[in-house]
Amino acid sequence: QKEVEQNSGPLSVPEGAIASLNCTYSDRGSQSFFWYRQYSGKSPELIMSIYSNGDKEDGRFTAQLNKASQYVSLLIRDSQPSDSATYLCAVKGRTGGFKTIFGAGTRLFVKA
Amino acid sequence: SQTIHQWPATLVQPVGSPLSLECTVEGTSNPNLYWYRQAAGRGLQLLFYSVGIGQISSEVPQNLSASRPQDRQFILSSKKLLLSDSGFYLCAWNPGTGQYEQYFGPGTRLTVT
Repeated sequence: QKEVEQNSGPLSVPEGAIASLNCTYSDRGSQSFFWYRQYSGKSPELIMSIYSNGDKEDGRFTAQLNKASQYVSLLIRDSQPSDSATYLCAVKGRTGGFKTIFGAGTRLFVKA
Repeated sequence: SQTIHQWPATLVQPVGSPLSLECTVEGTSNPNLYWYRQAAGRGLQLLFYSVGIGQISSEVPQNLSASRPQDRQFILSSKKLLLSDSGFYLCAWNPGTGQYEQYFGPGTRLTVT
């Protein structure tokens, strides 16, 4: 079992719709959770961090964390073509010092 | 504010040649530093990380090495490149002190021919 799993996609949504990206992790003691956006040919950019169960909203982005079920999700409301990118989920586990485990990413296409 | 630099941006090197990639961070002290490689269409592979000057942890045994000669400088090296070393090399930093967000540099795209 991979430590951090994401559906590779591609996930295709129409412009204006809600895009839902999911991530599961194996270390039940994980503490910190992050979402990164990576445009093609560019480096990853941190867009959300979440540490506690529940929802955290930042503009059009909402991160949701459920530690009991070991999943974290990212919702993008009013999706725009500029949101088309690969979204990486990252998890800081209970051990491992300052290492963060990254998922392989989900490709999102927003159709105009 | 903090800034992370990487150079060169792109590099084409023949098999068997040496490699040196450099990463520097500005605007912070004693950051944790990381080197990742991303093969085409793949996820991030952690290669090395460092929590201080001269302290290097290797994640994947291979023909690469890393050094941290100064607090905010991180260097990735190889004596002899392999075709399989091609990829997108990313340097990242985080503040340490209980914070785990990582911030990435612009990356170096390496093609070994």
